[in-house]
Amino acid sequence: EDQVTQSPEALRLQEGESSSLNCSYTVSGLRGLFWYRQDPGKGPEFLFTLYSAGEEKEKERLKATLTKKESFLHITAPKPEDSATYLCAVQSGTSYGKLTFGQGTILTVHP
Amino acid sequence: EPEVTQTPSHQVTQMGQEVILRCVPISNHLYFYWYRQILGQKVEFLVSFYNNEISEKSEIFDDQFSVERPDGSNFTLKIRSTKLEDSAMYFCASRLDRGGYNEQFFGPGTRLTVL
Repeated sequence: EDQVTQSPEALRLQEGESSSLNCSYTVSGLRGLFWYRQDPGKGPEFLFTLYSAGEEKEKERLKATLTKKESFLHITAPKPEDSATYLCAVQSGTSYGKLTFGQGTILTVHP
Repeated sequence: EPEVTQTPSHQVTQMGQEVILRCVPISNHLYFYWYRQILGQKVEFLVSFYNNEISEKSEIFDDQFSVERPDGSNFTLKIRSTKLEDSAMYFCASRLDRGGYNEQFFGPGTRLTVL
């Protein structure tokens, strides 16, 4: 059974204070690891797909990296508008695209 | 930019009633999904749909649930006899899965409240 664990559960940062979110996973043949952003009461918004260990993707202040056991979402000089829940999900090679999600990390950035 | 849409945004129903949640996936996508998120919990997979049939379903997706793609644009989730524990946000998602595009795009969700 695929499993995803995210840490920390919640993270409070000051504006400009860089940090990282962790996503540990176990999956039978990783087909893809996905990062999403979710605002309260909204649907997950796609951020990144990572396919293999060593891969990195960047978008504005966010950078996602992948190893064989975990992924990190690095946030550089965050702004209050980066406040959201960040979700990690995996797709195994045996599924038809089913995503298994972690609990998420609630990020709050104070001005 | 194309997006997944869902209606209604909020549905209130009495226990035992049937509900139909509607979704319009992104037009050229091939795979369609339903997920749910109980308040404060993880997003959970319910079912995937491809080529007009269910390709995978979770243990949650029992005989009370069904999905249908009645025409070329809509994708529906029906719950035949709602229970209190069906109260959740229900998200529809779609995926292209062609040319290396594997990511799923989610709709804004339908909040289902069962009284």
